[in-house]
Amino acid sequence: GQQLNQSPQSMFIQEGEDVSMNCTSSSIFNTWLWYKQDPGEGPVLLIALYKAGELTSNGRLTAQFGITRKDSFLNISASIPSDVGIYFCAGQRGQGGSEKLVFGKGTKLTVNP
Amino acid sequence: GAVVSQHPSRVICKSGTSVKIECRSLDFQATTMFWYRQFPKQSLMLMATSNEGSKATYEQGVEKDKFLINHASLTLSTLTVTSAHPEDSSFYICSAPTREYGYTFGSGTRLTVV
Repeated sequence: GQQLNQSPQSMFIQEGEDVSMNCTSSSIFNTWLWYKQDPGEGPVLLIALYKAGELTSNGRLTAQFGITRKDSFLNISASIPSDVGIYFCAGQRGQGGSEKLVFGKGTKLTVNP
Repeated sequence: GAVVSQHPSRVICKSGTSVKIECRSLDFQATTMFWYRQFPKQSLMLMATSNEGSKATYEQGVEKDKFLINHASLTLSTLTVTSAHPEDSSFYICSAPTREYGYTFGSGTRLTVV
């Protein structure tokens, strides 16, 4: 099935550094979601974006819904060891409701203390 | 918030046997449940969508006779892997859409077929 283009695939950073990852698509999505998955667990929602151009923060996390509705980025500021995990973007063509999600391939983040 | 409880978290079964995975919505009614499969170091791949009281919709390439989905109530959806083989070993995750919290995921089931 279709997947979003997520990059980078992996990142190795030092504690305290900022992180940026993004997702792009050739088609429009009307909802963008960012999830974090720890090993052996299900994904946990970090930020949900519902409007083109929207910039939303959740603590040290900031995500933006691209104006073209074909991309989104996630920034993590001042990273800490517990930020380690796999981050997934997900898009939905509708807004809310029970429409299925399309996922990116994930960005594996490693934070060195 | 909305919680989806998934069990078991881990299961090891012999080749040829069947395994049932349950996902329960604890404090909301899940009219829809998505079932995903995730291989190591890969993303979530949607297998099927179950709707309470009706037949599940399977994604292309997913065998409906092998992966039986039942969504008999608004709080319970089950995935049964029938006649499991080693290639069915994977991480299976369910997810339900909620009005306030978007999509809530279960904690996953690690299936190992030996």
